[in-house]
Amino acid sequence: QVQLVESGGGVVQPGGSLRLSCAASGFTFTTYGVHWVRQAPAKGLEWVAFMQYDGNTKFYAESVRGRFTISRDNSRNTVHLQMNSLRAEDTAVYYCARDWRYASDYWGQGTLVTVSS
Amino acid sequence: QTVVTQEPSFSVSPGETVTLTCGFTSGSVSTSSFPSWYQQTPGQAPRTLIYSTNTRSSGVPDRFSGSILGDKAALTITGAQADDESNYYCLLYMGSGSWVFGGGTKLTVL
Repeated sequence: QVQLVESGGGVVQPGGSLRLSCAASGFTFTTYGVHWVRQAPAKGLEWVAFMQYDGNTKFYAESVRGRFTISRDNSRNTVHLQMNSLRAEDTAVYYCARDWRYASDYWGQGTLVTVSS
Repeated sequence: QTVVTQEPSFSVSPGETVTLTCGFTSGSVSTSSFPSWYQQTPGQAPRTLIYSTNTRSSGVPDRFSGSILGDKAALTITGAQADDESNYYCLLYMGSGSWVFGGGTKLTVL
């Protein structure tokens, strides 16, 4: 069955960096794009970034553009989100989700990122 | 800046039908926005209900349906059940590689 498992969350100081990973299984990873979506505590969902199946196309929300970088390793069925210059407002649960027709059809369980001094 | 709007909250009695909507602060939602809908209970990951306006995701009961109503996307729950009490989010594709979620609707079934 389709599975997405996020890892790499934790506590980081403002200005610091963190790298999230999303390990995929149960489907042909190389034919699907992947999104990152986050949810701040007690808030709604926010789309963060998208990478196309082949890694050639990447898009970012304005709130993270220039600070976050999405990448993928198709040999390891993994997508990464490199987060630099972190701010308190980046504190959230980060989900990866498989793209399907401009939507997300399968989701991971999320990993918590806390930016605090 | 265009924002995606949803009703903050809605209440429905068991067995009744409820329609939640998703619109733009400026402009109309169409099928070209590829509206999708997600259900989320506290502490859980989102679950995909509808994509491409009106296609149910795998395993989603047929009491959930999606459509375009006027200038908004809509999610209709026919015969609401107690376990439909959740937060519901819509997602719209803005074009040029940008997606925006609505603020979510908290649905109470009582």
